[in-house]
Amino acid sequence: DGGITQSPKYLFRKEGQNVTLSCEQNLNHDAMYWYRQDPGQGLRLIYYSQIVNDFQKGDIAEGYSVSREKKESFPLTVTSAQKNPTAFYLCASRQPLDRGRQAFFGQGTRLTVV
Amino acid sequence: DAKTTQPPSMDCAEGRAANLPCNHSTISGNEYVYWYRQIHSQGPQYIIHGLKNNETNEMASLIITEDRKSSTLILPHATLRDTAVYYCIVSANDYKLSFGAGTTVTVRA
Repeated sequence: DGGITQSPKYLFRKEGQNVTLSCEQNLNHDAMYWYRQDPGQGLRLIYYSQIVNDFQKGDIAEGYSVSREKKESFPLTVTSAQKNPTAFYLCASRQPLDRGRQAFFGQGTRLTVV
Repeated sequence: DAKTTQPPSMDCAEGRAANLPCNHSTISGNEYVYWYRQIHSQGPQYIIHGLKNNETNEMASLIITEDRKSSTLILPHATLRDTAVYYCIVSANDYKLSFGAGTTVTVRA
């Protein structure tokens, strides 16, 4: 089945450590996204990528980094510079314009930093 | 991307139609209106989108005003499983896709 896979579902890290969240898609979409969600809040855009080897900052990119070396993969690194990294992280990919531009989301990774 | 304004919450009776409003008064001519919903602790799910004309699919109907400054998502027969946060988004042909706070819809038996 086609879809977005995020792993792991739950992740625990010690404060001061960098951590990388995985996002893989087999939908052949060029565009991919990372969002952060805090309890009771909406989704906030961290980074997005239109195509391989290209990405742009979203609304809250500070303390995060991404890479897009393959079309299928868009990993997110939460660095030690991120002041409040504990959150729910969602990855998405999006259809091209001529197919409706619908976004498909993974099931998320819940990161807890202690 | 244009900003959207949605009520923070609304209740709906099971079996009745749920009408969810969204204001997007600064929408540009090339921006589409998208609706997604998020059931607790899951990734958002696409519902419907439109540009100018009203749209209907198996999940919902989207009514866009003639001036395109507002829209309404209609869930024709709400069920308990429709309890979720509903997001109205406007997005152009560029790639940025930003969500707001959404409307928390509670369907009551």
